[in-house]
Amino acid sequence: DGGITQSPKYLFRKEGQNVTLSCEQNLNHDAMYWYRQDPGQGLRLIYYSQIVNDFQKGDIAEGYSVSREKKESFPLTVTSAQKNPTAFYLCASSIYAGAGYGYTFGSGTRLTVV
Amino acid sequence: KQEVTQIPAALSVPEGENLVLNCSFTDSAIYNLQWFRQDPGKGLTSLLLIQSSQREQTSGRLNASLDKSSGRSTLYIAASQPGDSATYLCAVNFGNEKLTFGTGTRLTIIP
Repeated sequence: DGGITQSPKYLFRKEGQNVTLSCEQNLNHDAMYWYRQDPGQGLRLIYYSQIVNDFQKGDIAEGYSVSREKKESFPLTVTSAQKNPTAFYLCASSIYAGAGYGYTFGSGTRLTVV
Repeated sequence: KQEVTQIPAALSVPEGENLVLNCSFTDSAIYNLQWFRQDPGKGLTSLLLIQSSQREQTSGRLNASLDKSSGRSTLYIAASQPGDSATYLCAVNFGNEKLTFGTGTRLTIIP
């Protein structure tokens, strides 16, 4: 079955470390997204990519970086510059980035700073 | 500012009752609205997608309506079951290449 795979499910980061969250999709979707979820807040967009080798900053991009070298993959790196990285991270995709298409989400990665 | 609001934040109802979850948004010029379900510690599962030209969508016991002029959507759940317990999220596409989410309603169905 087609879907989005996020790994790992749980991730622990020490202060000052960079960590990379994996997101892979086999839906043949062009657009991919990274959202952050904190308790009591709605999901907030970190980065999105409309097509391979292109990506755009979302609302809270500071301290994060992404790459889109393959259509299927959109990894997110949480850098040491991110002041409060503990959160639940969700990856999503849609057929195209244009309005009118629904989103499919992965199962998430919970990142904790130790 | 384009915002999405879901009230109440939490709701408990006895099993078997019909219920309505509410979503309001500030800009009537939307492209579509999507309802999701989220179980604790899990990702989001899409329930229904309503395009701006549609008034409602149905899937099994779920029915979602859309009223752009009043900036409101409702998710109706018929004959509720304990397995319906989850957080329900409303997300609006305002046409700026992202979804704007509400903070969700945590639903508990009491057996």
